[in-house]
Amino acid sequence: SQTIHQWPATLVQPVGSPLSLECTVEGTSNPNLYWYRQAAGRGLQLLFYSVGIGQISSEVPQNLSASRPQDRQFILSSKKLLLSDSGFYLCAWGAGHQETQYFGPGTRLLVL
Amino acid sequence: DAKTTQPPSMDCAEGRAANLPCNHSTISGNEYVYWYRQIHSQGPQYIIHGLKNNETNEMASLIITEDRKSSTLILPHATLRDTAVYYCIVRSGSARQLTFGSGTQLTVLP
Repeated sequence: SQTIHQWPATLVQPVGSPLSLECTVEGTSNPNLYWYRQAAGRGLQLLFYSVGIGQISSEVPQNLSASRPQDRQFILSSKKLLLSDSGFYLCAWGAGHQETQYFGPGTRLLVL
Repeated sequence: DAKTTQPPSMDCAEGRAANLPCNHSTISGNEYVYWYRQIHSQGPQYIIHGLKNNETNEMASLIITEDRKSSTLILPHATLRDTAVYYCIVRSGSARQLTFGSGTQLTVLP
């Protein structure tokens, strides 16, 4: 069966510091991968998606970037965090026609 | 993607069936109905999806009306662990973004 991992689970970072969140998927090959952000009291916002190694599409302009160095690894990064980057970051994977997206456990980021 | 309307909250007694309604009157012919739930501080969990036929899996049943303008998610025997926010989403196959509305806070009472 497929599983998706995210770490760390929680993170507290000062403004201006760098960020690296990692997501890995097991049990599937060539998945589509997604990064979402869920701000408090708001819905999910799609940040990036990837259909293959090195292929990244950005949905919104922002302070963040994403990379996919391996087939089942997706990384979310920032060089300098802003207060507005605080939120719940979710990685998801999907595959196939009319794909269903499956979410990881999430990383809660607090920027102070 | 079409917009959905759900009641903000519902209660259900433990062991009874929980029936969660969703209206999606502007759904298009190629759009599927998806249900997810999110337990506090966890990632959303996929439950079930369907196009026009009723669907059942180990977690729940999905009943879609013949005109496809509304649907009902049924949890046949609710447990305390089913307490969560339930999201009804309408999405076409080509859409990347999953658009979560406000959802229904289901509270299962002992």
